[in-house]
Amino acid sequence: KQEVTQIPAALSVPEGENLVLNCSFTDSAIYNLQWFRQDPGKGLTSLLLIQSSQREQTSGRLNASLDKSSGRSTLYIAASQPGDSATYLCAVQDSGYALNFGKGTSLLVTP
Amino acid sequence: NAGVTQTPKFQVLKTGQSMTLQCAQDMNHNSMYWYRQDPGMGLRLIYYSASEGTTDKGEVPNGYNVSRLNKREFSLRLESAAPSQTSVYFCASKIRDTVHMSLGGIDTQYFGPGTRLTVL
Repeated sequence: KQEVTQIPAALSVPEGENLVLNCSFTDSAIYNLQWFRQDPGKGLTSLLLIQSSQREQTSGRLNASLDKSSGRSTLYIAASQPGDSATYLCAVQDSGYALNFGKGTSLLVTP
Repeated sequence: NAGVTQTPKFQVLKTGQSMTLQCAQDMNHNSMYWYRQDPGMGLRLIYYSASEGTTDKGEVPNGYNVSRLNKREFSLRLESAAPSQTSVYFCASKIRDTVHMSLGGIDTQYFGPGTRLTVL
């Protein structure tokens, strides 16, 4: 069974810092890996999707990398802002029907 | 497009009561999913429907039933609610199921806003 782990579980940084969120998965036979954002009491918003053949994806201040062979992905957030405060979820799509989610990293960016 | 919609947003039940959570999508997606999210557990798949007319169990199906009413709608029913079913329930949809996923693996699941259910 695919296991997805996210480190750290929680992170607090001052505004303007660059930060890295980590995700690891146990089975490298994946179709893609996604990073989602979840605001308190809200649903999930897809931020970036990296196909298994890709190494990274970028969207604005976000950059996600994928090293499939080692079972790792990172989400890099540049010049963090208070509006970035949320929970970030990593999810892996393998041959099963479900997305396999990590437990998330709760990010707080302080002014 | 409204995307994926869920009703109700909040619900409080007593143990033993029944209810149906409704989900609809307007993106003409073939596949639909029900997840539950619990603190410290992440999201877990309850049931899914790879295409209209088919449903299958996910990781945690006990205590639930589903109906794929048509291509747009996928409902989740709790026949006799238990406190262990207190959770946040998310519905999701995707254009096609994993088996028929595009070679590039670019298909993503779109999530609804969730239903927050408390069973007393």
